[in-house]
Amino acid sequence: SYELTQPPSVSVSPGQTARITCSADALPKQYAYWYQQKPGQAPVLVIYKDSERPSGIPERFSGSSSGTTVTLTISGVQAEDEADYYCQSADSSGTYCVFGTGTKVTVL
Amino acid sequence: EVQLVQSGAEVKKPGESLKISCKGSGYSFTTYWIAWVRQMPGKGLEWMGIIYPGDSDTRYSPSFQGQVTISADKSISTAYLQWSSLKASDTAMYYCARHQPGEGGFDYWGQGTLVTVSS
Repeated sequence: SYELTQPPSVSVSPGQTARITCSADALPKQYAYWYQQKPGQAPVLVIYKDSERPSGIPERFSGSSSGTTVTLTISGVQAEDEADYYCQSADSSGTYCVFGTGTKVTVL
Repeated sequence: EVQLVQSGAEVKKPGESLKISCKGSGYSFTTYWIAWVRQMPGKGLEWMGIIYPGDSDTRYSPSFQGQVTISADKSISTAYLQWSSLKASDTAMYYCARHQPGEGGFDYWGQGTLVTVSS
């Protein structure tokens, strides 16, 4: 089955930059999306179509794509950014949606 | 205001059937795909399948095909996820989410329905 691979965890000090990667073979052909999930809450879309930011999402969240890897960057990390982050995309045919394995961001 | 409101938590025994719901409001329910997403305790998000309420076109993840049924009643703007025979391994939080046409991704999510299956 198709998988999106993320690092299990990323630790960052307040004010620093956190980068979360997501890798899969079909990413050059399919857009990627990123979600933030805080404990006990539903996920929230923070990046769509690789690098677009929905209204209401802080500018410190940005996305980029290069080959088979997409990256979510959080610049000037704040304590409130501590959460689980998931990438999401589709298989190469665009038939099936798939979520990444998830990355826990810890703000030290 | 766009809202997806899900039915309440359920506690069931193995072998029992269950149908949970997701009611949309604040937008044209028939013109947006609605997906179901599973999150097992302490685990990640899993896409189960998706339905287009306008014509009930439905797609399932291979992992969930035959295990659940997704349906919708457009007359009451509600999507459903159902099981005919629950297992303990179905214990999880289940979310519905609206798919953005064109842009892609899931822009609105329900609050989640916790399903607990235990003897």
